[in-house]
Amino acid sequence: DVKVTQSSRYLVKRTGEKVFLECVQDMDHENMFWYRQDPGLGLRLIYFSYDVKMKEKGDIPEGYSVSREKKERFSLILESASTNQTSMYLCASSLESGPSTDTQYFGPGTRLTVL
Amino acid sequence: AQSVAQPEDQVNVAEGNPLTVKCTYSVSGNPYLFWYVQYPNRGLQFLLKYITGDNLVKGSYGFEAEFNKSQTSFHLKKPSALVSDSALYFCAVRDKDSNYQLIWGAGTKLIIKP
Repeated sequence: DVKVTQSSRYLVKRTGEKVFLECVQDMDHENMFWYRQDPGLGLRLIYFSYDVKMKEKGDIPEGYSVSREKKERFSLILESASTNQTSMYLCASSLESGPSTDTQYFGPGTRLTVL
Repeated sequence: AQSVAQPEDQVNVAEGNPLTVKCTYSVSGNPYLFWYVQYPNRGLQFLLKYITGDNLVKGSYGFEAEFNKSQTSFHLKKPSALVSDSALYFCAVRDKDSNYQLIWGAGTKLIIKP
């Protein structure tokens, strides 16, 4: 089974702090994704990466950056946390982008609260 | 613009009754369609997907979904609901001509009452 792990289940930070969210997958997947989940809004893509050191912006990249130095690890960085970034953050990975291989597998999520 | 609609925020079903969670989509090309489920305090789990071929797709936990091209719908169904099916269900779509990105519905909360 694919396993996607996230460094924290719950995180509380203060406004202005730099926040790192880590995600690791153990199945040699090419693609990795960061989403935020808010009630009534579904999942919104922040960034995704299709290879080491490669990234593309999703729908809501403002206020976030990402890093993928190793294939199995994808980090989300909040440079200066703000209260409107309080949310559930979900990491996902998929093997490739073809029709049979693009199923995304999700981690358990990190609930971030910014005070 | 591509979009996915889940018209019901919540669906209530009695245990043992059939359930349907609705999803309609709008994409420019032919779609790939997905259903995911999120149990309380857990990440999303893949249920099933439609790529091509048979319009009736069978997935995990006894769920199935029917692709209807003329109605641009992909409703999730189960013949007999269980209390343990209570969860948040998400529909997602990807245009075959796009890479990587899924367009997600807002989610439907399914409550199965004993």
